Amino acid sequence: KNEVEQSPQNLTAQEGEFITINCSYSVGISALHWLQQHPGGGIVSLFMLSSGKKKHGRLIATINIQEKHSSLHITASHPRDSAVYICAVSLVTQGGSEKLVFGKGTKLTVNP
Amino acid sequence: KAGVTQTPRYLIKTRGQQVTLSCSPISGHRSVSWYQQTPGQGLQFLFEYFSETQRNKGNFPGRFSGRQFSNSRSEMNVSTLELGDSALYLCASSLVSRGLLGSYSPLHFGNGTRLTVT
Repeated sequence: KNEVEQSPQNLTAQEGEFITINCSYSVGISALHWLQQHPGGGIVSLFMLSSGKKKHGRLIATINIQEKHSSLHITASHPRDSAVYICAVSLVTQGGSEKLVFGKGTKLTVNP
Repeated sequence: KAGVTQTPRYLIKTRGQQVTLSCSPISGHRSVSWYQQTPGQGLQFLFEYFSETQRNKGNFPGRFSGRQFSNSRSEMNVSTLELGDSALYLCASSLVSRGLLGSYSPLHFGNGTRLTVT
């Protein structure tokens, strides 16, 4: 079983729809990241959070540490939101350094 | 401020050769981490460097190595290339070490180097 599970794997929406992508993890973490990857490979860090909720424009990320679950919401979706969204968790090793473990990603397509 | 720069963007090598990839972090960033992305395995952590020291390493064979210079630029090297090493290799920089608890800063990714091994 992967340490980080994302759902759904693929998501198609119509412009304007409210979108939710889910991420569950099975280990203790120090932080959770939401990343966006467009075709061509470049990755943008959207959020880094360890508790509660963060909002940036039309994007909202929430995390529930007790339930080991995070969600990424996109309000009023637009075709330019089409990308792969990746959840990653920060695991702190015994040596005190950190490594990131990634989910498989959710491919979002927003049609006009 | 310039972003994270990775060179080259594309590379084609044959099995058995070695390759060196370069990553220049954002000015002032001292942590550089490397990742491999393949269609089958997704993104996987390779290693992280901070102040010229490797702080953490993922589950990759010893053929994968890296280093960081005093100006924070980093290189990764893959020796004796195998077909399965074909992937997008991404580096990311951040202001502080990823391992200092309570001192996390966001990651800034480069556009990656796409390596094809034939």
